[in-house]
Amino acid sequence: GQNIDQPTEMTATEGAIVQINCTYQTSGFNGLFWYQQHAGEAPTFLSYNVLDGLEEKGRFSSFLSRSKGYSYLLLKELQMKDSASYLCAVGANNAGNMLTFGGGTRLMVKP
Amino acid sequence: GAGVSQSPSNKVTEKGKDVELRCDPISGHTALYWYRQSLGQGLEFLIYFQGNSAPDKSGLPSDRFSAERTGGSVSTLTIQRTQQEDSAVYLCASSLAFSTNEKLFFGSGTQLSVL
Repeated sequence: GQNIDQPTEMTATEGAIVQINCTYQTSGFNGLFWYQQHAGEAPTFLSYNVLDGLEEKGRFSSFLSRSKGYSYLLLKELQMKDSASYLCAVGANNAGNMLTFGGGTRLMVKP
Repeated sequence: GAGVSQSPSNKVTEKGKDVELRCDPISGHTALYWYRQSLGQGLEFLIYFQGNSAPDKSGLPSDRFSAERTGGSVSTLTIQRTQQEDSAVYLCASSLAFSTNEKLFFGSGTQLSVL
């Protein structure tokens, strides 16, 4: 099976930087996704990492270390609209090519 | 359609009744997934379809749950004899192909409340 851990809640200040961590244990790793989900809405795709390193996309960056089973999502210049849940999801070849989601991190951005 | 469409958006039912949830994926997407999300929780995988076929039904919580997909498009998730613990948001997603490097496009979900 797969085990995915991420903090339940985080609070940060508008304009600041926040890092949301995700650790996982799996065999047959085949990629890691981050999704954003605003309250009452559908999750939307943010980033995908399959190789080690940092992927930057505007204010959002995602990092992966396969040897450590670790990823983080970095949000810069936080805005109030970034208040949402951030879901880490891991794919594995031996899990029928399915994505397994973590419990999500609820981020609250305060003025 | 432009996105994944789910209906109804909200469903309130009495314990013991059957409910049917519908998902209309993005046109051309061959893979379709059903997830369940309880309040404040992550996504629990239920079942996926490759075309009309569902190779693995082990994620369904009980035999009261069933799903089908016809014509490689619309899917329905049926819950028979609903129980209060079935209350959750049921999310449908589709992707172009069935692969772990394909991003999922989610619908807005059906909020199911079993009284």
